[in-house]
Amino acid sequence: RKEVEQDPGPFNVPEGATVAFNCTYSNSASQSFFWYRQDCRKEPKLLMSVYSSGNEDGRFTAQLNRASQYISLLIRDSKLSDSATYLCVVTDSGNTPLVFGKGTRLSVIA
Amino acid sequence: DVKVTQSSRYLVKRTGEKVFLECVQDMDHENMFWYRQDPGLGLRLIYFSYDVKMKEKGDIPEGYSVSREKKERFSLILESASTNQTSMYLCASSSAGQGGELFFGEGSRLTVL
Repeated sequence: RKEVEQDPGPFNVPEGATVAFNCTYSNSASQSFFWYRQDCRKEPKLLMSVYSSGNEDGRFTAQLNRASQYISLLIRDSKLSDSATYLCVVTDSGNTPLVFGKGTRLSVIA
Repeated sequence: DVKVTQSSRYLVKRTGEKVFLECVQDMDHENMFWYRQDPGLGLRLIYFSYDVKMKEKGDIPEGYSVSREKKERFSLILESASTNQTSMYLCASSSAGQGGELFFGEGSRLTVL
């Protein structure tokens, strides 16, 4: 069975801190990787895709390590508005259902 | 603005009732999905569909069925609701071959008494 594992947290960090989440996946054939964000009582939304070379979007950096089968998300200069659950997501191919991790909860505290 | 609309945000049903959860998307997406989300268990895939009249079982299809008569509409059916089907149900859609960006509805919270 394909699995995606995440530390559930919660991660409680002060504003301005840097925080990193890791996620491991069991299927070595996985091709595509993503981070989704889910705010409390809201639906998940795509935060960013994760590319082999690593990619950055503002304060967010995503990395992929295929050899060790993990992906990471780094958030710099945390804001209160970053408080949410972050879901690690993988898929085998463009048209295979996504496999979601259970999520890591982040609380950024003033 | 892209939209996935779920017919009911909150439902309360009794054990044994038949329940319909409707989902409509306006993005002309080929792929549609039904998930349930429970505390500590995350998102679990119930059924999905890549085309009209097509359906595939996900990880937890037992006790559920689906219908996709039109491209924009994907219905989840609980033939005989049970208390362990109390959950948040999330519908999602995506474009064929674009895997990765799922667009979710706001969810339907079902309570079965």
